[in-house]
Amino acid sequence: GESVGLHLPTLSVQEGDNSIINCAYSNSASDYFIWYKQESGKGPQFIIDIRSNMDKRQGQRVTVLLNKTVKHLSLQIAATQPGDSAVYFCAEIGWSAGNKLTFGGGTRVLVKP
Amino acid sequence: KAGVTQTPRYLIKTRGQQVTLSCSPISGHRSVSWYQQTPGQGLQFLFEYFSETQRNKGNFPGRFSGRQFSNSRSEMNVSTLELGDSALYLCASSADRVGNTIYFGEGSWLTVV
Repeated sequence: GESVGLHLPTLSVQEGDNSIINCAYSNSASDYFIWYKQESGKGPQFIIDIRSNMDKRQGQRVTVLLNKTVKHLSLQIAATQPGDSAVYFCAEIGWSAGNKLTFGGGTRVLVKP
Repeated sequence: KAGVTQTPRYLIKTRGQQVTLSCSPISGHRSVSWYQQTPGQGLQFLFEYFSETQRNKGNFPGRFSGRQFSNSRSEMNVSTLELGDSALYLCASSADRVGNTIYFGEGSWLTVV
């Protein structure tokens, strides 16, 4: 069935370094991918998205890369800051199923001062 | 523009009771989805509503139901509560049926005792 997973459950990063969070997906028919950040006690916050017809998309300090050949998605955070400490989820949508998001298990990012 | 608003934020119910959670989507958004988040199962899709019609449903028992009103506001109901229903219930909204960013509310924390 459809599944989206993450390679690393916890990522410790030194403040100022770059972070890379990886995600594998199994549904080759996925049309759209989203990264969310969830801080303790809060709902998921949209970070960046990418459509399946793109390979790369950049935002403010974040870049998402999509490799459809190996069904791999990554989120790069430049110059990681303490405020980036959170759990990050990748999610995918196959629009034939509407707005149904399938989430990965999440990666906790801990930023060390 | 106000974000997705969920009420109540916290609630405690007794096993066997029922609960109704409310969601007001971002103004102009017509698609509303609900998710359950637990430490063990992660984020799981419950259902999606668009123009007052349920468009998609996840793998949850019939005790979980929802509806959407003409102003796009949505409610979900859980009847005959079980201890395992304790979770964070998240509402998400999107402008249209497919193809638009999906934004989440802060969630309703339900504890069943």
